Order: sequence, then structure tokens, then C-alpha cells
Amino acid sequence: SSELTQDPAVSVALGQTVRITCHGDSLRNYYASWYQQKPGQAPLLVIYGKNNRPSGIPDRFSGSSSGNTASLTITGTQAEDEADYYCNSRDSNGKHVVFGGGTKLTVL
Amino acid sequence: EVQLVQSGGGLIQPGGSLRLSCAASGFTVRSNYMSWVRQPPGKGLEWVSVIYSDGTTYYADSVKGRFTISRDNSKNTLYLQMDNLGADDTAVYYCAREKLQWFGEFRSYYFDHWGQGTLVTVSS
Repeated sequence: SSELTQDPAVSVALGQTVRITCHGDSLRNYYASWYQQKPGQAPLLVIYGKNNRPSGIPDRFSGSSSGNTASLTITGTQAEDEADYYCNSRDSNGKHVVFGGGTKLTVL
Repeated sequence: EVQLVQSGGGLIQPGGSLRLSCAASGFTVRSNYMSWVRQPPGKGLEWVSVIYSDGTTYYADSVKGRFTISRDNSKNTLYLQMDNLGADDTAVYYCAREKLQWFGEFRSYYFDHWGQGTLVTVSS
């Protein structure tokens, strides 16, 4: 399968923990990467690999994986974390790049 | 510092052609995997095409046969030639550098740097 599936929208209270999930058969063979996108901006890589953060990404962002599901967890969510989040990997053949449909995170 | 600066884009009539450019600095395009990713207005990210360091190219089914990804090593620039454009091609187009890292038996592909995006509008 070449699809990655995400919940369209998730909400979280300020300061609480939220988990955003991504499902897909290819995730049994590839780690997902995660991107944050705010309106009018290019996507920003926040998590890659098993649980790796690029320089400058706060440690409240973490990643995990089990079976065909990858998760992005934000611990102590801040108002500035409100954004769209996309997961990304390769398809099962490894040739094509695939993105999840995106999850809109609302911070209450 | 790694930078990707895009140019091209704009308003084009259905059936027309357009070429997007992505000038890289701080790294060598020919030594990296480079992709184009697009985002229709109000919608999610959609991968378009990739070119590997060995020159191998792949395309999304939606653009195969109409779009061509290429690079000019002397200019350290990535291109996307788009032909026979239709309304469904209207989107912000991003270029991005893709990295591959192994973690045990698992691979991780990820886009660590993105261009600023350029809007392509296909309309009569």
C-alpha cells in the first residue's frame, strides 16, 4: 500500500500532552518523519528516524513507532504548536514518497 | 548554511508549460536526493517527483509523462518542467532535499530543507 492515514483534526488543552498518529503498511519497513506547517510557511521537519529531532526543535516533540503506526507526541503543548502536522515515508516499494493527509492541531 | 531559493511559477493557461527552478547553496544538488512536493490551495502535501544522486527519477502517477525533473550541476540548481498543465496542477510547489538514514534494519527518509514555495495557478 502507498497510503499514510492521519486523523484530520485533533485538539489539546494548553500545557497538556497530545499524540498524533499515522497509519500505513510501509511503516512496518520505514520510520516516518514528521513535519509542522503553519499558514503561509513551508513545512518544517520536527521528527525523523526512530525519535530524532533536528537542531532547534524543542524536546517536547517526540516520535515513536509500532507495527504499522507512527506517532508524534507533543508534551506540554504550547500555543505556538498550533499547526498542521504531516507524516511522511516511502511506499512499500521504496520508490515513491508518500505523505499523510495531515492533522490540524488546535490548542485550546 | 543550506538554502533553497525557488523561482518560476505564476499564472498559466490550461495546456500550457512552465519551468520551476530551485537554486541550492550550502550543499551540492548532484550529491543529494532532491524532490518536488506540491500543495493545492487548502489541501495537504503531495509528492511530485524525486531525482537521486545517480540520476534516477521517479514521478507521482498524477504527473508522469507530463512533468520532468532535472538538475544543472554547473548551476547547482534543480528544475521541474511542467507540460500540458491542468487545473488540478494548481498548487504551491516546494523543492526539498531528502536524506536517508539507517537505524538498524529500518530506513528513514526525511526532508530536512525546503524551498520557500512558489505558486502555480492554471486558469484561463
